[in-house]
Amino acid sequence: NAGVTQTPKFQVLKTGQSMTLQCAQDMNHEYMSWYRQDPGMGLRLIHYSVGAGITDQGEVPNGYNVSRSTTEDFPLRLLSAAPSQTSVYFCASSPVFSYNSPLHFGNGTRLTVT
Amino acid sequence: GQQVMQIPQYQHVQEGEDFTTYCNSSTTLSNIQWYKQRPGGHPVFLIQLVKSGEVKKQKRLTFQFGEAKKNSSLHITATQTTDVGTYFCAWSSGGYNKLIFGAGTRLAVHP
Repeated sequence: NAGVTQTPKFQVLKTGQSMTLQCAQDMNHEYMSWYRQDPGMGLRLIHYSVGAGITDQGEVPNGYNVSRSTTEDFPLRLLSAAPSQTSVYFCASSPVFSYNSPLHFGNGTRLTVT
Repeated sequence: GQQVMQIPQYQHVQEGEDFTTYCNSSTTLSNIQWYKQRPGGHPVFLIQLVKSGEVKKQKRLTFQFGEAKKNSSLHITATQTTDVGTYFCAWSSGGYNKLIFGAGTRLAVHP
């Protein structure tokens, strides 16, 4: 099993450009989520999904869209990139969301917006 | 709203010294998880605490959940260079579908 796979690993965008960060998991996990990590601020939840067709906002959802058409995939879309979105983005999944289920993280996408 | 502080932000120790990081909440937590992130890596789950007063050990790591379920700590005995990284606490929030992370404690271990 590959676990949680994120692509690309690195990306540079210009202000105003759009792009999609890909996340796929092969563990048949129902719960998936996106975090961004900035220095000194830990991980902040952007969006999450408890199953195919269901998404909801996290702590910092503005500027990002998500969809969950399949159990395996949970892409994160930046509609119009801004320098403030320069960050490392992590996708994570768990079988279900419960206090018994730890998150499995992907390796991250390092995004720079100039 | 719920506020959880993780302290310290940074700790520098000599190899062999002990290390402790704390998470302190203004309200009762249903559970707490601990993760470790090596430099350049992704967070990796260490443990989960659910019960009041719970103590769990993993080799040199000891995890505690306070009696009031408002505080938690991670203690490392006799640190090694392999312990280097950032340690995060995380807790369920808002209907239990959100896992929120603390700001993390970055541990540097010098040989």
